[in-house]
Amino acid sequence: NAGVTQTPKFQVLKTGQSMTLQCAQDMNHNSMYWYRQDPGMGLRLIYYSASEGTTDKGEVPNGYNVSRLNKREFSLRLESAAPSQTSVYFCASSESSATDTQYFGPGTRLTVL
Amino acid sequence: QKEVEQNSGPLSVPEGAIASLNCTYSDRGSQSFFWYRQYSGKSPELIMSIYSNGDKEDGRFTAQLNKASQYVSLLIRDSQPSDSATYLCAVTHTGGFKTIFGAGTRLFVKA
Repeated sequence: NAGVTQTPKFQVLKTGQSMTLQCAQDMNHNSMYWYRQDPGMGLRLIYYSASEGTTDKGEVPNGYNVSRLNKREFSLRLESAAPSQTSVYFCASSESSATDTQYFGPGTRLTVL
Repeated sequence: QKEVEQNSGPLSVPEGAIASLNCTYSDRGSQSFFWYRQYSGKSPELIMSIYSNGDKEDGRFTAQLNKASQYVSLLIRDSQPSDSATYLCAVTHTGGFKTIFGAGTRLFVKA
């Protein structure tokens, strides 16, 4: 039982490049989330998926897109990376909503030059 | 005004002492409250959740919630060096899918 997995662990991009961060959970959770964490600012919600087939914007969605591929997988795409998107990205999942405990993946450290 | 506020610290306590971590929030409609621990370079992990006013105890940890004062705290008794980490307060708003995290309080427990 791996919990929440994320790939890649580290990535360096040049401004304007695109990439997709992958996330998968094996806990049969309905809800999944993408956060970014910047120094001194805590975790900020980018997008969430309440259930398979649905996605909604969080606090900081600009510059990102998401896909809930199936119940297990939730990906985050940066279409044209900018230096302001340099951050640590965490995926999380919970059983049915954010009133439940959220379980976090190990994170992806992204640097945009 | 930040929606969830925490003292950034660092909070330094000697081994065996009680560490007291505090958090205030602005949305009176908030319904779920969490404390996560995050070691440097690692992902957050849940320490405590609390949903109603009062105290909730789990081992050395006690969470306290006062909705009237919009205040939630975490007490760590018999603090150990392994408790040294950043503690994140998190609040889920009415509607149930948007969680707001505080910036975290860094705790150092001195051996």
